[in-house]
Order: sequence, then structure tokens, then C-alpha cells
Amino acid sequence: QKEVEQDPGPLSVPEGAIVSLNCTYSNSAFQYFMWYRQYSRKGPELLMYTYSSGNKEDGRFTAQVDKSSKYISLFIRDSQPSDSATYLCAMTLNTGNQFYFGTGTSLTVIP
Amino acid sequence: NAGVTQTPKFRILKIGQSMTLQCAQDMNHNYMYWYRQDPGMGLKLIYYSVGAGITDKGEVPNGYNVSRSTTEDFPLRLELAAPSQTSVYFCASRPPGGAGYEQYFGPGTRLTVT
Repeated sequence: QKEVEQDPGPLSVPEGAIVSLNCTYSNSAFQYFMWYRQYSRKGPELLMYTYSSGNKEDGRFTAQVDKSSKYISLFIRDSQPSDSATYLCAMTLNTGNQFYFGTGTSLTVIP
Repeated sequence: NAGVTQTPKFRILKIGQSMTLQCAQDMNHNYMYWYRQDPGMGLKLIYYSVGAGITDKGEVPNGYNVSRSTTEDFPLRLELAAPSQTSVYFCASRPPGGAGYEQYFGPGTRLTVT
């Protein structure tokens, strides 16, 4: 069983749509949950992080963690063409030594 | 700050050749990481280091070696290159603690082994 599972997509939505991206995981000891955005031929950049369970909002982006279901989500409201990228979920234990990434979901927002 | 830099950007190797991928950071970060990214496979951790002189294996260390003699540099050595090592390699660093353990990634090295 993989540590982290993520639907690779691709996902294509019209501009202004609400986008939902999801990951599931198997290790209940994970404490930090992150979403990275990766533009084509670039390194990933941290978009948001959440510690343990709960929601976190930053502008058009909302991250949710449900530890009881081992399920995390990223919602993008009013999606823009500039949001077109691959979104990777990642998670780690409290030590933060090793990080486990999902396979990434490719998102295209059509103007 | 230049952040995390990687050299070379591209490289083609023949089977059995060796090479070193260079990674440097100027942010005085303790932690450094090497990942490989294959199409549709996400990022897999090869090796990581929590400080100069300390390294440890990640998920996929076979076929690679690392060293960390300084805080700034974390080279990745490929010995006897194989086609299975064709991938994009990313180096990353982070400070201790920090917001959500944010990692700062380099631009990547695209390696092809033929």
C-alpha cells in the first residue's frame, strides 16, 4: 500500500470554477500536511500547510485535513488560468525528516 | 539570496557512466533533500541530511550516494548509471522548524541514461 495516494487527473475546468483536489494516506502518525504547486519544468513551491486536523484558508485556497478518515483536500475558489499547474500533496511526521508526496494532480483552467 | 541552485540543468549519460549532481543553498538551512520525479509518480525521497556530516536514506536510495561536508552543499553521486535512473532530480532545503516545515526546491536536473 502506498503511503500517499492522489488522483493524477488530468483535471480541466473553466475559469471561475471551484476545484477540489484530494489525497488519502495510510500512516496515522502523519502530523503536517502540505500542498505544493509545480509549474511545468519548475521545482515545487509550498502553497499551504496544515498541522493535524482542521481547515486553513488563504485567499482563494482552503486546505482541509480529516485525520479520522486519513483524507486531505485542497479547494480553489474562482479558479484562474494562472492556477494551471500540477498540485502535489505532501505529509510528514512531527520530526519533519522525511516527506511523502502524492503523485500530483495536473490542473488546467480554461479561460 | 540565490536560494537552492542545481547543476547541471540537463545531462545525458551512457549506461555504466558515473556523475555527480551538484546542489547548493545559501540560506544556511540545516536540512537538505534529494528527490527524483518520474512522470506520474510524484516525488520520491532518495537521501536527506539534517546537518553537515549527517545523512540518511530515503525511500529509493539504491544506486546513489551522498555526502554533506558543509552546510551549503549536498552533492548526489550516481555510480554505474542505469536507464532506470532517467528522471528529473530535485534538491531541496529547509530550516529547522519553520512554517509547516516548508521546503525550498531547486530548479531540477533532467537526466537521461541511454
